[in-house]
Amino acid sequence: GDSVTQMEGPVTLSEEAFLTINCTYTATGYPSLFWYVQYPGEGLQLLLKATKADDKGSNKGFEATYRKETTSFHLEKGSVQVSDSAVYFCALSTGFQKLVFGTGTRLLVSP
Amino acid sequence: DAGVTQSPTHLIKTRGQHVTLRCSPISGHKSVSWYQQVLGQGPQFIFQYYEKEERGRGNFPDRFSARQFPNYSSELNVNALLLGDSALYLCASSLGGRERMHGYTFGSGTRLTVV
Repeated sequence: GDSVTQMEGPVTLSEEAFLTINCTYTATGYPSLFWYVQYPGEGLQLLLKATKADDKGSNKGFEATYRKETTSFHLEKGSVQVSDSAVYFCALSTGFQKLVFGTGTRLLVSP
Repeated sequence: DAGVTQSPTHLIKTRGQHVTLRCSPISGHKSVSWYQQVLGQGPQFIFQYYEKEERGRGNFPDRFSARQFPNYSSELNVNALLLGDSALYLCASSLGGRERMHGYTFGSGTRLTVV
């Protein structure tokens, strides 16, 4: 079945450091790929998305490129802030019905 | 515009009891999905409803059921609660048929604690 694998956390960085969170997927067909962010005590917020190979999703300084050849969708940000501390979820959707999520990666950014 | 609203925000129930969780989607969205997020894990798909019909069901026991109303709001029901049902229950709203392009919008969730 479809699945998403994320790097385990927590990822601990200092403010203004470069961020990479790895995400790889297994899917039948051609999935759309998403990154969601969850702040403490809250629901999920869509951060960015890509619907086909080589698409780059971007939002709030975060970027991720849909790499079909490596089945990856790694999340990157050039300079993280304390306010970016949250849990990040990679997810895929192959159709109408549902999202399949990874286990999440906690990011902790210190001043 | 109002986002996805869920009620209640927090709930404590005793083992064996029944619980009903409610969700109102974004205006114009005809599809509602439910997810269970156990602490420290990613959300797991429970149900999707579109135009009041069940369109998908995840790997959950029959104790879990749901329905969608003519105004597109939805209820998730869980019978005979177990300790393991303690989780954050998330509702996601979508246009219906356009999820690959637009994704899903989530509510803030209902935190259910079973004691």
